[in-house]
Amino acid sequence: GAGVSQSPSNKVTEKGKDVELRCDPISGHTALYWYRQRLGQGLEFLIYFQGNSAPDKSGLPSDRFSAERTGESVSTLTIQRTQQEDSAVYLCASSHEIAFWTGENIQYFGAGTRLSVL
Amino acid sequence: DAKTTQPPSMDCAEGRAANLPCNHSTISGNEYVYWYRQIHSQGPQYIIHGLKNNETNEMASLIITEDRKSSTLILPHATLRDTAVYYCIVSRGAGGTSYGKLTFGQGTILTVHP
Repeated sequence: GAGVSQSPSNKVTEKGKDVELRCDPISGHTALYWYRQRLGQGLEFLIYFQGNSAPDKSGLPSDRFSAERTGESVSTLTIQRTQQEDSAVYLCASSHEIAFWTGENIQYFGAGTRLSVL
Repeated sequence: DAKTTQPPSMDCAEGRAANLPCNHSTISGNEYVYWYRQIHSQGPQYIIHGLKNNETNEMASLIITEDRKSSTLILPHATLRDTAVYYCIVSRGAGGTSYGKLTFGQGTILTVHP
């Protein structure tokens, strides 16, 4: 079946512009995550959606970052007034609802959006 | 979530077993050990996970020590396509808040050579 799809695959923008990144999770997956990966670094957690629960926004680096999710489908990550330090690969992952008793959670990742802020 | 420690890099000859170690000495009872890998310019790929028992699937085997303070990922017959960064992650189980998010460290760069 189809995996996690992200678009665009590459985005070049000028400092100060807003950008919107899109993620289509695997059908039926109720949990959705956004991560950021700077060049040569590990992944940083940004935000997590689980069904109709309030999202966990604890990883968002500033109020310029926001994300929305429509039901259990598409999510968009918006970065306002982009800065050069926002340049990174933005990765989206989805998973089945986390097993209630065990907390097991296997995440499936998209290929990412490479954002370059000039 | 408990922290993990991995060697920064390892080499392996093609066709041989690759054994990637991970220390997680502060792991708690309900935390799982997950392994992911990231091939250049791709998103991370799930490999295997376990709680207490050793696990095996079509990609790899996971050996967890009895005290759960360390684990080893085994790729039984490494190929050139297994060259990637391998991440060992400990993630809290049920009962905690925000469980499910993964904390990626620097991982181990595995290079498989001919």
